[in-house]
Amino acid sequence: DAKTTQPPSMDCAEGRAANLPCNHSTISGNEYVYWYRQIHSQGPQYIIHGLKNNETNEMASLIITEDRKSSTLILPHATLRDTAVYYCIVRVARGGGSNYKLTFGKGTLLTVNP
Amino acid sequence: GAVVSQHPSRVICKSGTSVKIECRSLDFQATTMFWYRQFPKQSLMLMATSNEGSKATYEQGVEKDKFLINHASLTLSTLTVTSAHPEDSSFYICSARSGQGFTDTQYFGPGTRLTVL
Repeated sequence: DAKTTQPPSMDCAEGRAANLPCNHSTISGNEYVYWYRQIHSQGPQYIIHGLKNNETNEMASLIITEDRKSSTLILPHATLRDTAVYYCIVRVARGGGSNYKLTFGKGTLLTVNP
Repeated sequence: GAVVSQHPSRVICKSGTSVKIECRSLDFQATTMFWYRQFPKQSLMLMATSNEGSKATYEQGVEKDKFLINHASLTLSTLTVTSAHPEDSSFYICSARSGQGFTDTQYFGPGTRLTVL
């Protein structure tokens, strides 16, 4: 079972910031938070991941709460092409076993409106 | 960087035939590759994990004799759906593990749409 909880859907206006929440209250100390997105009929695209510090790259920012029980993915200026299902996944960083697998939940369908 | 390709992107076959799907990591070596299946309006389900040079590990409920996986090199894994039937019609997606630094990341291919008539 997925270890995360996400809202099933969200809407965002084009050009505005999209803030996608994720709860992972049972996250372990050695598990990272990964974010992927899947545009319709395509393979998932890696966005960002983090352990406890906030992270930023060219696609998005990841804000992780101090207790690590939740996080928020921020798309600073959403475009129509950002419409996709966004998956928040917790997983250990390296190694094998069941803890290493990417287990996809249902994610959040983000719809960016013109 | 970290590009994963799949071939073919779409395939239509008759029931009872076998179909081979290739997954390649184009700009990195992948010691581990993963195969997923996604049915319409559902999330991705992991089918198997393949390590280069060794037998694949299948998830519970996935028939290893039906879904043959070969990971002969660090950049290529293949999935063969043997004796395909209409219920095998699905979107098959591979991913490759890129190990860099303290963490590693899985990168996904674009997927292969299989339709069995």
